[in-house]
Amino acid sequence: DAGITQSPRHKVTETGTPVTLRCHQTENHRYMYWYRQDPGHGLRLIHYSYGVKDTDKGEVSDGYSVSRSKTEDFLLTLESATSSQTSVYFCAISESGDRPNTGELFFGEGSRLTVL
Amino acid sequence: GNSVTQMEGPVTLSEEAFLTINCTYTATGYPSLFWYVQYPGEGLQLLLKATKADDKGSNKGFEATYRKETTSFHLEKGSVQVSDSAVYFCAEGSSASKIIFGSGTRLSIRP
Repeated sequence: DAGITQSPRHKVTETGTPVTLRCHQTENHRYMYWYRQDPGHGLRLIHYSYGVKDTDKGEVSDGYSVSRSKTEDFLLTLESATSSQTSVYFCAISESGDRPNTGELFFGEGSRLTVL
Repeated sequence: GNSVTQMEGPVTLSEEAFLTINCTYTATGYPSLFWYVQYPGEGLQLLLKATKADDKGSNKGFEATYRKETTSFHLEKGSVQVSDSAVYFCAEGSSASKIIFGSGTRLSIRP
């Protein structure tokens, strides 16, 4: 199994508070992704990274920021959480280096966030 | 942008029934195509993939054929088991940096 750890696994917070989710990998893969999973929407890409300090937006990036200061860690930050950000967040990594579209994504176990 | 459309769920079948879950994509060219499966309480894991037209991906008795002419990648299994109960996601990778997922189809198998 790919070594991907997400933390925290569960979090309940209040509207307006900042939240940071962490994804840690031990595989030294170049590409890392943050997705959110919501009923009826499947998985939607929030942000992704193609290297240290190299990140780009996905389809639902508003209200989220990311940082990648080391190969192994990819942080997702909600600067001011809203109820619409209640979701299950999945981190994924790709082993295919420069061509992740032909390769497999390995997923973490998910982080369930509830914003009250 | 590109999108992936798969049949709405939930799908409920009896054990040993034949399964088809439809999937179509909009990307032009020749994207890689994937089926991922998510078991309860877990993250997604790759079930099978195909990287060029007419390729057939297969794993655990599941199959899907890359049909460029109909932009489809339908998932099939000849005889489902209770252990196949899960959520199935179709996905395409046409961009060098993103994989786009469908909305998922929940499958329940009755003993």
